[in-house]
Amino acid sequence: AQSVAQPEDQVNVAEGNPLTVKCTYSVSGNPYLFWYVQYPNRGLQFLLKYITGDNLVKGSYGFEAEFNKSQTSFHLKKPSALVSDSALYFCAVRDRGNKLVFGAGTILRVKS
Amino acid sequence: GAGVSQTPSNKVTEKGKYVELRCDPISGHTALYWYRQSLGQGPEFLIYFQGTGAADDSGLPNDRFFAVRPEGSVSTLKIQRTERGDSAVYLCASSLFGGMSYEQYFGPGTRLTVT
Repeated sequence: AQSVAQPEDQVNVAEGNPLTVKCTYSVSGNPYLFWYVQYPNRGLQFLLKYITGDNLVKGSYGFEAEFNKSQTSFHLKKPSALVSDSALYFCAVRDRGNKLVFGAGTILRVKS
Repeated sequence: GAGVSQTPSNKVTEKGKYVELRCDPISGHTALYWYRQSLGQGPEFLIYFQGTGAADDSGLPNDRFFAVRPEGSVSTLKIQRTERGDSAVYLCASSLFGGMSYEQYFGPGTRLTVT
């Protein structure tokens, strides 16, 4: 079965600094990878996806993610963090039957 | 345009009662998904509809859980004889089509509390 792992429960970064939220995956076949963000008491919002093509994927709100096949990673990045980026971030992989398999999530805290 | 909507936003019920949770997908989306999110965890898949039919119900935990989508739009998740362990946020998502490359758009969820 497909799976993803988010090794960090929480990431702390200062406003204006670059941020990285890590994700590694385990799949058979080609990976279909996604990042979602969840704000308190709200549903998940789609940020970006990797299906095929360029390893650097650009998404919403200035986020991007780098697909690395040799390291089986799909880390989420942003060049300059905002306080409003503070939220819970989920990495997910598409499994057979089209369902998403999510990681446990990483809390991002951006301090001013 | 309007996103995925879910009603009610909160539901408190007593152990043993029956509950229904409703999902209105984005207009025109053919695929609909239900997930369950427990505190401190990522969402877990329950069931996937393509049109009116359940294409994958492998995530339903037991036969107390059932979902329908009779006209290929609105879906209802039904839970019989609720247990305290059913307490969670139930998320609905839809996508334009059911293919692997299509992203899913999530509703705000229904927080179910079984007392």
